[in-house]
Amino acid sequence: QKEVEQDPGPLSVPEGAIVSLNCTYSNSAFQYFMWYRQYSRKGPELLMYTYSSGNKEDGRFTAQVDKSSKYISLFIRDSQPSDSATYLCAMILIKAAGNKLTFGGGTRVLVKP
Amino acid sequence: NAGVMQNPRHLVRRRGQEARLRCSPMKGHSHVYWYRQLPEEGLKFMVYLQKENIIDESGMPKERFSAEFPKEGPSILRIQQVVRGDSAAYFCASSPLTGAVYEQYFGPGTRLTVT
Repeated sequence: QKEVEQDPGPLSVPEGAIVSLNCTYSNSAFQYFMWYRQYSRKGPELLMYTYSSGNKEDGRFTAQVDKSSKYISLFIRDSQPSDSATYLCAMILIKAAGNKLTFGGGTRVLVKP
Repeated sequence: NAGVMQNPRHLVRRRGQEARLRCSPMKGHSHVYWYRQLPEEGLKFMVYLQKENIIDESGMPKERFSAEFPKEGPSILRIQQVVRGDSAAYFCASSPLTGAVYEQYFGPGTRLTVT
């Protein structure tokens, strides 16, 4: 079983719709949760990160963490064709020997005009 | 304000040759991470370095792979005697020493093709 599970998609939505992405994880010791966006043949771009359970909003993006269920979500409001990309969730297990990211496999999103 | 820089962007090597990948972290960042993205797979951690120190190499294959981050110059990921299975995108990320230490910013990657 992978430590972080993410539906690979593709997830196809019409322009203007809400995109809903999620990840589940098995290790309750994960403490920081990130969302990255990766365009084809580019490096991942950090969108948001959060530590505590609850919601965090940044513009059109809302990140949600439920530590009791080991479940995180990312919502993209008013989606645009430029949001078409692969979205990666990532988590950090805080420890003395560094803060390596453990990634989900990524969900490919296609926003159709 | 330059981001994380990686070069070369594309690298083609024949089986048995050496591949050397370079990474310059963002200005003010002193932590460097290397990740590998195999075709149709997610990003996997390889190694974490600070200047002149390897802090965590738990994701690094035991043979043929090495990494360094010298006092001066970029971090280097070295792959000796490359094999076809080493073909992948290699990404470097950096984070600051203080403040937002959990925010890792990625470079554009080096795409290694082994023929």
